[in-house]
Amino acid sequence: DQQVKQNSPSLSVQEGRISILNCDYTNSMFDYFLWYKKYPAEGPTFLISISSIKDKNEDGRFTVFLNKSAKHLSLHIVPSQPGDSAVYFCAARGLWGNTPLVFGKGTRLSVIA
Amino acid sequence: KAGVTQTPRYLIKTRGQQVTLSCSPISGHRSVSWYQQTPGQGLQFLFEYFSETQRNKGNFPGRFSGRQFSNSRSEMNVSTLELGDSALYLCASSSPGKGAGTEAFFGQGTRLTVV
Repeated sequence: DQQVKQNSPSLSVQEGRISILNCDYTNSMFDYFLWYKKYPAEGPTFLISISSIKDKNEDGRFTVFLNKSAKHLSLHIVPSQPGDSAVYFCAARGLWGNTPLVFGKGTRLSVIA
Repeated sequence: KAGVTQTPRYLIKTRGQQVTLSCSPISGHRSVSWYQQTPGQGLQFLFEYFSETQRNKGNFPGRFSGRQFSNSRSEMNVSTLELGDSALYLCASSSPGKGAGTEAFFGQGTRLTVV
């Protein structure tokens, strides 16, 4: 049973436009959500996170939105750049930090120049 | 501050053999988690160690095991390798605090190929 779902395996966006990556979760005990970016042959790197007490967190070009009632979060990248082309993983965990991160299967973003 | 270091980066083993992978966490981090990444399956949680004790375990067979040393370095072992064990094995360290979720920092991974 997949607790974190990224239903779009891939996404292509024009450079300069907005990229929107979506993630759904089923476990209501999840209270902290993270996005990771992964290039080939490298480990995932932390991008941005949000706790359930917020509905938006912004860091430069990256904004994460959380809709707790819908159990849905999204990552917005504006403007998209070719260097953003990577696989993006959504992850979730319980708030106390002693539960493992549960990852989605990832969405491959391609930003076309 | 040095990041998470995994060794070796690449490994080729034969079916039936065993393998040991190593992970050195970020200095001061006491939690080490291991994940398996295969194409189309995302990152699947293997186990987590905290202060030399296994704190969480994923849904993998007993052929997958691990341990953590007093300096927080961790090893994972896979015995009786199968072709399906070919994957990227990722180690992540974090410094979990009560009442605050913390992000995990990943190493570059060990690419294991079983032939």
